[in-house]
Amino acid sequence: DVKVTQSSRYLVKRTGEKVFLECVQDMDHENMFWYRQDPGLGLRLIYFSYDVKMKEKGDIPEGYSVSREKKERFSLILESASTNQTSMYLCASSPGEDSPLHFGNGTRLTVT
Amino acid sequence: QQQVKQSPQSLIVQKGGIPIINCAYENTAFDYFPWYQQFPGKGPALLIAIRPDVSEKKEGRFTISFNKSAKQFSLHIMDSQPGDSATYFCALYSSASKIIFGSGTRLSIRP
Repeated sequence: DVKVTQSSRYLVKRTGEKVFLECVQDMDHENMFWYRQDPGLGLRLIYFSYDVKMKEKGDIPEGYSVSREKKERFSLILESASTNQTSMYLCASSPGEDSPLHFGNGTRLTVT
Repeated sequence: QQQVKQSPQSLIVQKGGIPIINCAYENTAFDYFPWYQQFPGKGPALLIAIRPDVSEKKEGRFTISFNKSAKQFSLHIMDSQPGDSATYFCALYSSASKIIFGSGTRLSIRP
């Protein structure tokens, strides 16, 4: 079974802090994704990556950046956390196009 | 840009009933239509998926009906059970980068 592991289940950060969310997958998948999930809005794509050191903006990249130095690891960075970034963050991976996404269990981030 | 509309937002059904969740999309540039199931505290997981060259796909108690001309697809759960209580998301794939999710339906199956 594919395993996507997000390093933290819960995080509480202060406004203005730099926040790192880490994600690791163990199935050698090419593609990795970061989504945020908010009630009534579904899952919205923040960034995705097709390969090491490759990244593409999703629908809501403002205030975020990403890093993919190794194939198995994809990090989401909040450069200066704000209260409107309080959300559930979901990492996912997939082996290629038209393939199911395999999600981690999420990190619930609260910015105070 | 919302390209898929999912309804209803929430649904309560008695055990054994057939909940139906609908998704409607706005253009035809999609080639893969999955449904994901999410339990509390977990990430979404693929439940069932269909491609636009078929009108129906069944896996166990779960069925996707696809109407290409109407740009709609639906999830039906036969003989629903309390363990089916979860949030369900439809999604549209046009490429690995263009995966668009619906807003989700919170389903509750009453014993």
